[in-house]
Amino acid sequence: GQSLEQPSEVTAVEGAIVQINCTYQTSGFYGLSWYQQHDGGAPTFLSYNGLDGLEETGRFSSFLSRSDSYGYLLLQELQMKDSASYFCAINNNDMRFGAGTRLTVKP
Amino acid sequence: ETGVTQSPTHLIKTRGQQVTLRCSSQSGHNTVSWYQQALGQGPQFIFQYYREEENGRGNFPPRFSGLQFPNYSSELNVNALELDDSALYLCASSLGRAGETQYFGPGTRLLVL
Repeated sequence: GQSLEQPSEVTAVEGAIVQINCTYQTSGFYGLSWYQQHDGGAPTFLSYNGLDGLEETGRFSSFLSRSDSYGYLLLQELQMKDSASYFCAINNNDMRFGAGTRLTVKP
Repeated sequence: ETGVTQSPTHLIKTRGQQVTLRCSSQSGHNTVSWYQQALGQGPQFIFQYYREEENGRGNFPPRFSGLQFPNYSSELNVNALELDDSALYLCASSLGRAGETQYFGPGTRLLVL
């Protein structure tokens, strides 16, 4: 089976950097994705790691280490609008999501 | 480019009834995945359709069924509704079975009384 673990809540201040970790147990997969979901909205794609290493997209970066069964999403220069839930997800002919990390950005 | 659309946006049903939810995939996408999201939880994978064939199923009972049409739009049918089926139902379209990027629709919020 597949399971993903991520912290339930993270709080940070505007302008700061925050890292949301994701550990997983799976026998094999194509890649690790990250999605953002604001309250009342639909998940939107942020980043994807098919290979080990760092992917950078603007203020957001994501990292994957298959040998450590670990990934993270790094958000830099936090803004109030970044307050949302963040989900890691395993791509393996479907998408298995973690329970989500609720990020609160304070002024 | 048209995004993913879902209908209806909200729905109220009673226990035992049946419901059909609809999803139009993003232009050019041949894969549709359906998810159930309870409040405060991550989306739970129900099943995926690729070129009109079911291509994977999550841990949901057979009363959850689906279809994909030649234009790649899709339906989710749920029979014998239970109170626990109350949730946000999301569909997502992608290109290919292991699409890196899934584009989600706004969801259908189902309430079962």
